[in-house]
Amino acid sequence: AQSVAQPEDQVNVAEGNPLTVKCTYSVSGNPYLFWYVQYPNRGLQFLLKYITGDNLVKGSYGFEAEFNKSQTSFHLKKPSALVSDSALYFCAVSPGSGYSTLTFGKGTMLLVSP
Amino acid sequence: KAGVTQTPRYLIKTRGQQVTLSCSPISGHRSVSWYQQTPGQGLQFLFEYFSETQRNKGNFPGRFSGRQFSNSRSEMNVSTLELGDSALYLCASSLGGQYSEAFFGQGTRLTVV
Repeated sequence: AQSVAQPEDQVNVAEGNPLTVKCTYSVSGNPYLFWYVQYPNRGLQFLLKYITGDNLVKGSYGFEAEFNKSQTSFHLKKPSALVSDSALYFCAVSPGSGYSTLTFGKGTMLLVSP
Repeated sequence: KAGVTQTPRYLIKTRGQQVTLSCSPISGHRSVSWYQQTPGQGLQFLFEYFSETQRNKGNFPGRFSGRQFSNSRSEMNVSTLELGDSALYLCASSLGGQYSEAFFGQGTRLTVV
C-alpha cells in the first residue's frame, strides 16, 4: 500500500519570498507523484507530476517540485510567492499497478501575505 | 475542451434517503474516479471505473456504489444516508494509466440533515 505525508498543516510566507510545501511518500514500487491545488469551493487543479527522469519537475503557474528518492520526498517549490498562490495544496501518489487511483496527503494550506 | 462536469453542485438530503450524483468526464477520457473530501478525513478514494468496469474500490461501505455508462459518464449512488456522509464529492477523469494526471470537477456538496 502507498501513503503520502504532508507534515505541515499550514505554511506562511510573505509575497516575493520563496516557498516550499513538503511531501514525503511511501510506495512499494516506482513512485508516480503529483501535486494538486484547490481553491475555495473548487475542485482540484493539476500542477505537476513526476514519472521518471529529471528530479526537478516544472509545472503550472511557476511551480516546480524536487524528487528525492533517497529521502522519499517530493517537495513543491516556487521561487517567488504571490498572494494569489494562497490555497490548499495536495501531494498524491499513484500505484504502479496500472490503475489511475490517487492516494492523497492531508493537504497543506499555503497563506501568502502581502 | 470542456472540463469535467458534476451535477448537481449542491444537495441537501435527509438521513435515510438516497442520492445520485452525476459526472461527465472530459471527452476521450475512459477513466472516472470518485473521491470524498471531508475536513476530518481529507480526500478519500471511493472507486474507479474504466470502460464501464469498476477497476478499483476504496474502503467504503456497500451503501456507496457507482456505475459508468458507454459514453464514460458516471454516476455514484449513496443509499440510506447518514449524517457522516456530508462531504464534497469529487469526480476525476483521466486517460486511465497510472501516470495519467486526473482532471477534477468542481464537486457536489452533499449535506445530510
